[in-house]
Order: sequence, then structure tokens, then C-alpha cells
Amino acid sequence: EDKVVQSPLSLVVHEGDTVTLNCSYEVTNFRSLLWYKQEKKAPTFLFMLTSSGIEKKSGRLSSILDKKELFSILNITATQTGDSAIYLCAVAGSGAGSYQLTFGKGTKLSVIP
Amino acid sequence: DAGITQSPRHKVTETGTPVTLRCHQTENHRYMYWYRQDPGHGLRLIHYSYGVKDTDKGEVSDGYSVSRSKTEDFLLTLESATSSQTSVYFCAISESWTDYTEAFFGQGTRLTVV
Repeated sequence: EDKVVQSPLSLVVHEGDTVTLNCSYEVTNFRSLLWYKQEKKAPTFLFMLTSSGIEKKSGRLSSILDKKELFSILNITATQTGDSAIYLCAVAGSGAGSYQLTFGKGTKLSVIP
Repeated sequence: DAGITQSPRHKVTETGTPVTLRCHQTENHRYMYWYRQDPGHGLRLIHYSYGVKDTDKGEVSDGYSVSRSKTEDFLLTLESATSSQTSVYFCAISESWTDYTEAFFGQGTRLTVV
């Protein structure tokens, strides 16, 4: 059974701080790892990391994938109150002919002024 | 935004009644998923579909059934709703199962079983 573990489960920081969110996984036939941001509604896509793309960056957000150690981190620099959200990590695998996207429980980030 | 519409957006129903949630997409994506989201559990996969009439169970499929008779529609049915099925339900779609497996989410359906 595929498994995704995120840490910490919640985090409170001040504006301007840098945060690192962690995601470790166990999956059969790894395809990709995805990061999502969820505010009050549907999750929105941030990054996808694969065997051919193990580092991504977009503005203040960046992510790396370590396929050997089976983990990924999401970094947010110079945090803003608008970064407050739940950050979800998901792993796509295709074990036993299935096509599942398995999510972790998420990290709730609160950025206070 | 990806063209995914969930209906209804909110529903209150009584224990023991059947409930059907609909997910409609205009992207012609092959893969469709139903998740439920509960505090402390994150997003958990209920069922998914990898083509018309092709479906499979996810992690928490007990008490749920699905059908996909057309590419664009994926229905989730609670045959006899229970209070433990009170949750927020999300539909997601993705185009392929190669390296490109980005999934887009609908806006969610909040279901309350009383």
C-alpha cells in the first residue's frame, strides 16, 4: 500500500520567515510527486517532480525530490500572510496495475503578521 | 482553470437515503478520481476511473459505488448514507498516466448526513 507522510502537521511562522515542509513516501512504481496548496476550497497545483525533473522553482517557492531517500521538501522564502494554507503532498504510482494518486495529511501553515 | 464541475455543491441528507454526486469535465481527460477530505485524514481516495466503464476501488471504497458511462461524467453514489460519510468530496481529473500526472480538482461538495 502506498504511503505519504508529511511533517510537520502544522506550523506557525511570522511574515518574512523561511519555512521547509517535508514529505516522505513509499510507493510502488513511482511516477511523480506533486505539491498542492489548499486554501478554503479546492487544492491548486504547485509543482510536479519526476525522475527527469527533481528540482522546481517558482518565485518564492521551490521544491526538490530525493528519489534515493524517498522524500521531497517544499521551501517557501520570505513568507507572506497569503501563504497561509494547507500544503498537500501526493505521489503517483502504478503498482499492481492501479493508477492511484495518494495524498499525505497535509501541513497547515499559518503566517502571522 | 480546468473545466471540472461538481454538483451539488452542498447537500444535507438523512441517514439511510441514497445520494449521488456528479463530476462533469470538459477537458476530455481519461482519468477521474473521487476523494473525501476529513480533518486529520487529508484526502483519501474512494474510487477512480481510467476510462469509460473502467473503474477501481481506492483506499476507502466501502459504502460507495461509482459509474462512468461517458468520458465527461463520473458519478459517486452512496447507496444508504451514514453519518460517517459526512465529509467534503472532491473530484479530480488527470490527462494521462505517463510522467505527466498532474491532477486538477473540482470545487468540492460538502455533504452532511443527519
